[in-house]
Amino acid sequence: AQKVTQAQTEISVVEKEDVTLDCVYETRDTTYYLFWYKQPPSGELVFLIRRNSFDEQNEISGRYSWNFQKSTSSFNFTITASQVVDSAVYFCALRGGGGADGLTFGKGTHLIIQP
Amino acid sequence: DTGVSQDPRHKITKRGQNVTFRCDPISEHNRLYWYRQTLGQGPEFLTYFQNEAQLEKSRLLSDRFSAERPKGSFSTLEIQRTEQGDSAMYLCASSLPLGTASYEQYFGPGTRLTVT
Repeated sequence: AQKVTQAQTEISVVEKEDVTLDCVYETRDTTYYLFWYKQPPSGELVFLIRRNSFDEQNEISGRYSWNFQKSTSSFNFTITASQVVDSAVYFCALRGGGGADGLTFGKGTHLIIQP
Repeated sequence: DTGVSQDPRHKITKRGQNVTFRCDPISEHNRLYWYRQTLGQGPEFLTYFQNEAQLEKSRLLSDRFSAERPKGSFSTLEIQRTEQGDSAMYLCASSLPLGTASYEQYFGPGTRLTVT
């Protein structure tokens, strides 16, 4: 069985602070795929990044960066110099490599950026 | 580029009634997914199609739920004899196949179902 754990239910920071959202996953597959999605108050899930299990390179996209560590089964997401527009619920998701195509989502982290 | 669209956006129904939702995927995507999301939870996978073939169904998809994608384009999700526990946001997503350069799932705005 696959599982994604986002232990932080809610995080509140002041604008311009850096913030890291944690994601820990469990899977028996040797090949798997990880994703982060953003769900703003409007409700529509927005794709942010994907990562394959065989590619452990970290990635940076503007103020966003992702740290993938297979040794600890973690795929953490950092926002640098946070902005009010970053306020949303963020979901980490896992897709196994065994043919099952549905994503397993964590419960999400509600990020609140205060001005 | 047109994204995933869903109709209706909101549906209020009485317990015991049948409801049907529609999803139109991104045009070049041959994979289509249905998820359900309840308040404070992440989306939960229900089922998915590759073209017109339904390839996977979650245990969450009870006998009262049925999904179709007759021509490999749009899809419908029907819930028969709705129960209050069916109240949720129903999300549709589409993607290209795994192995292509861009296989992530793109989500529609969802249909919010309220069963009274």
